[in-house]
Amino acid sequence: EVQLGQSGAEVKKPGESLKISCKGSGYSFTSYWIGWVRQMPGKGLEWMGIIHPGDSDTRYSPSFQGQVTISADKSISTAYLQWSSLKASDTAMYYCARQYVYNSPSDYWGQGTLVTVSS
Amino acid sequence: DIQMTQSPSSLSASVGDRVTITCRASLGIGNYLAWYQQRPGEVPELLIYAASTLQSGVPSRFSGSGSGTDFTLTISSLQPEDVATYYCQKYNSVPFTFGPGTKVDI
Repeated sequence: EVQLGQSGAEVKKPGESLKISCKGSGYSFTSYWIGWVRQMPGKGLEWMGIIHPGDSDTRYSPSFQGQVTISADKSISTAYLQWSSLKASDTAMYYCARQYVYNSPSDYWGQGTLVTVSS
Repeated sequence: DIQMTQSPSSLSASVGDRVTITCRASLGIGNYLAWYQQRPGEVPELLIYAASTLQSGVPSRFSGSGSGTDFTLTISSLQPEDVATYYCQKYNSVPFTFGPGTKVDI
């Protein structure tokens, strides 16, 4: 069974760093792209970027380029989304999702990681 | 970047009604268009890809059509479990932008 297991909820202060994870199982992790999607409270879905764990090819939305870093460790079938300095506006649910090829839809999604940034 | 719009932003219909949601791209995207359903408090799920192909396990009352810039999602007979927000997404090239969503109530 295909699963994307995300790390647990986080509560952080502005200026702190954070790295959340998404572990793939039940399929060949290096054969699929992993994307990240933000959903701010009560708002819609925003596409952030994708990575191919096989070769670490990474693409970002212009809206998120320079704001976050997407990475992956294929040896442990895990993708990451990280911030170096969080802002209150980063408070959101973050989903990882799998794509078969670069230009394909997301067929499996993680359960989401809630990130709360508050002083 | 290509912008995605949806209409209406919300709708209320009765059980058994036919519901149609429209998605428009600011430039042509071929058939690289997906529809997702997000029930309240749940994770988004893929309903339709390639504009009109039903994802495995999705009820046949859902259908999609269109190509280029104009697309539609149709629910032929609305059911209580269809209460959700529906998003279109383009995936022809980065960024794989989502539409703003259409909230469907009963």
